Amino acid sequence: SYVLTQPPSVSAAPRQTARITCGGNNIDSYSVHWYQQKSGQAPVLVMSYNSDRPSGIPERFSGSNSGNTATLTIGRVEAGDEADYYCQVWVRTSDHSTVVFGGGTKLTVL
Amino acid sequence: QVHLVESGGGLVKPGGSLRLSCAASGFTFSDHYMSWVRQAPGKGLEWISYISGSGSTIFDADSVKGRFTVSRDNAENSLYLQMDSLRAEDTAVYYCAKSGFDGFDVWGQGTTVIVSS
Repeated sequence: SYVLTQPPSVSAAPRQTARITCGGNNIDSYSVHWYQQKSGQAPVLVMSYNSDRPSGIPERFSGSNSGNTATLTIGRVEAGDEADYYCQVWVRTSDHSTVVFGGGTKLTVL
Repeated sequence: QVHLVESGGGLVKPGGSLRLSCAASGFTFSDHYMSWVRQAPGKGLEWISYISGSGSTIFDADSVKGRFTVSRDNAENSLYLQMDSLRAEDTAVYYCAKSGFDGFDVWGQGTTVIVSS
């Protein structure tokens, strides 16, 4: 089965840049989606199709996907960005589809 | 406004059953795939199952295959998850989500299931 690997934690000071990675075998052959989950809340989609920001998501959030690594980049980090972040892909074969989430990365704003 | 509201969670003994519901509003329910995703205490997100808009296509995760059954009633704008043969490891917050190949763009607030004797 396909596995997505995320670092357990990432930290960044306010106004700095945070980069959260998502590793997978040839992940650039998949579309990667990213979710932000603040404590006690439901997840929110913050990046779609690798680099498309849904309506309402600040321009500080950007995404990329190349080779075996997809990256969610948060520029000018704010205290309100502190949350768990998850990457996700759809894995489709000829007769089956499945959804895979990464293990999640906790972003701490220093 | 697009909205999903789960219900039906609670405390159940191992081996027992529970049926979760998800009420949808603010969008054409029958046009969209829907999924169930769960999150065990202190753990990450785990996809469980999804169902196509018509209900004709269903895929489940191996961890729940044969025990959980997803269904929908488009006339009632509702999604369901029938959970049988429950185990302690099924303890989690269960979310329904509007799903597409562009991501899961709407989530409910979740309903908590606790499996314990």
